[in-house]
Amino acid sequence: QVHLVESGGGVVQPGRSLRLSCAASGFTFSFYGMHWARQAPGKGLEWVAIIPSNGGSIYYADSVKGRFTISRDDSKNAMYLQMNSLRTEDTAVYYCARDQSGRFDPWGQGTLVTVSS
Amino acid sequence: EIVMTQSPATLSVSPGERATLSCRASQSVNNKLAWYQQKPGQAPRLLISDASTRATGIPARFSGSGSGTEFTLTISSLQSEDFAIYYCQQYHNWPPWTFGQGTKVEIK
Repeated sequence: QVHLVESGGGVVQPGRSLRLSCAASGFTFSFYGMHWARQAPGKGLEWVAIIPSNGGSIYYADSVKGRFTISRDDSKNAMYLQMNSLRTEDTAVYYCARDQSGRFDPWGQGTLVTVSS
Repeated sequence: EIVMTQSPATLSVSPGERATLSCRASQSVNNKLAWYQQKPGQAPRLLISDASTRATGIPARFSGSGSGTEFTLTISSLQSEDFAIYYCQQYHNWPPWTFGQGTKVEIK
């Protein structure tokens, strides 16, 4: 059974950094691109970044470009999101999701990031 | 960037009734349109892809239609577990992958 588990969320001050992890199981991780998406409290879904399988272009949403870095370690079936220069507007539940030719399926349960002084 | 607009924002429906949700794209996405269901405190779940193909395990009461810029998600007979927020998402022109703002289906 395909399973994604995010970790690493927490409370952080503006301007600081945080690193999120996504642990994958139940499928051949290296074969799939992976997304990060987020959802601010009471708001809708926003795509954040994608890392393809086997090379290819990494893409970021304009709102995080230059501050966030997505990476993966296929030997550990894991994906990461390094978030620097965090802003209050980055407060959200962060989800990882497997890319299925542009669809997001499945999603992890999410990890909450709160940026507050 | 393709902007996705959903209507209505909130839909009040009685159990057993039909619910019809709309999604409009700012430009054609062909049939590259997905629908997701999100219940409170849970992650989104894929319901429909390619505008009309149900995902594995999704009940037949959920159906999708449309192409180009206009799409519809229909729930033929609402069950208690269907009260949730529904999002559409385009994957025709990326990046970015874009979502609608959601339609909340609530109990009337």
